[in-house]
Amino acid sequence: SSELTQDPVVSVALGQTVTISCQGDRLRTFLASWYQQKAGQAPVLVIYGNNYRPSGIPDRFSGSNSGNTASLTITGAQAEDEADYYCFCRDISDNPVVFGGGTKVTVL
Amino acid sequence: QVQLQESGPGLVKPSETLSLTCTVSGGSISGSYWAWIRQPPGKGLECIGYIYHSGSTKYNPSLKSRVTISLDTSKNQFSLNLSSVTAADTATYYCARHERYSHYDWFDPWGQGILVTVSS
Repeated sequence: SSELTQDPVVSVALGQTVTISCQGDRLRTFLASWYQQKAGQAPVLVIYGNNYRPSGIPDRFSGSNSGNTASLTITGAQAEDEADYYCFCRDISDNPVVFGGGTKVTVL
Repeated sequence: QVQLQESGPGLVKPSETLSLTCTVSGGSISGSYWAWIRQPPGKGLECIGYIYHSGSTKYNPSLKSRVTISLDTSKNQFSLNLSSVTAADTATYYCARHERYSHYDWFDPWGQGILVTVSS
């Protein structure tokens, strides 16, 4: 399958750690990037490549890749981390494609 | 720092052509790749297409017959045309810089997005 699959909803207690996964065959070849989208706002890049964080993204965000799965971990989740998170990975044909379906993270 | 801003009509009639422009400020449009991405209300993100600094393009196969993306380096802009629109094309449309490395891609920064509604 060329799709990227994410768990729809994940919750985490304030200050605890949460890991979001993204699964897909093309992750065996290409690395994922991750985007945070808060309600009513444009997506923001939080992780790309081999766990690179853009300037301004807190170091509690980290990424990893293994086999057909990419993961985004938030260590010590904060209230402001409540958002939808989307993964993206290049398609084998290099055609523009859909992102992962998104994971809604709720901070309790 | 590079910033992007989408512009265009927020309402398009069915069967007509949706036309949007993305203006890039704080950097040159040359030498980079650019993308259009959309998000239907309450749904996920979908890449519409890419345009490379050379002017070559790649389109989502599901939209390819209706999409044209072009570059205007003199105005530091790139544009999206989507023809024969239906209600299913109602979405927030984002433009973004598309960065590529050997085996990974990323989109950064993004424009704020523009909601386009298809309705008569």
